[in-house]
Amino acid sequence: RKEVEQDPGPFNVPEGATVAFNCTYSNSASQSFFWYRQDCRKEPKLLMSVYSSGNEDGRFTAQLNRASQYISLLIRDSKLSDSATYLCVVASIANSGYALNFGKGTSLLVTP
Amino acid sequence: NAGVTQTPKFQVLKTGQSMTLQCAQDMNHNSMYWYRQDPGMGLRLIYYSASEGTTDKGEVPNGYNVSRLNKREFSLRLESAAPSQTSVYFCASGGGFSGNTIYFGEGSWLTVV
Repeated sequence: RKEVEQDPGPFNVPEGATVAFNCTYSNSASQSFFWYRQDCRKEPKLLMSVYSSGNEDGRFTAQLNRASQYISLLIRDSKLSDSATYLCVVASIANSGYALNFGKGTSLLVTP
Repeated sequence: NAGVTQTPKFQVLKTGQSMTLQCAQDMNHNSMYWYRQDPGMGLRLIYYSASEGTTDKGEVPNGYNVSRLNKREFSLRLESAAPSQTSVYFCASGGGFSGNTIYFGEGSWLTVV
């Protein structure tokens, strides 16, 4: 089983729609969780960290479910500019350091 | 703010040539990373350095070497480039045991012909 799994999509949604992505992880000892956004031919950039209590940043809401080992990202009122690939990142303490495991990303296309 | 700076941005190599990708960060991070990203494969860790003076292999280290020159700089060397090393390479810094986020450089597009 892969460390971090995401549905690759693509998710095609109209402007204004609400869309949700899920990500599952296999290491129950994982400690930190993030969503990154990556535009075509650009570097990944932090979208938001994911906290145990859930957190919201404008139109974006992230949730963590440790019992079921998944995190989610909800985007409300989608904008054309939200079109990108969203990467789930799970971090844990490894033998010799801090291991970051990336999902392969979920592609979102918001259409007019 | 510069953040993570990597050079060169684009490079074409012939099979068997060597080259070094340079990376520097100005955020005083202990940990630095080199990833490669290929279509359909996601980001794969090549090497990382948890602190100055230490380096460790990641998921795909074969064909690469790294040097953590000081706290700021972490270079990636291809000793004898192969077409399979055609990829986009990202340097990153941050992370660490405190669970901080990591920040990426803009990427280096490498083609080996």
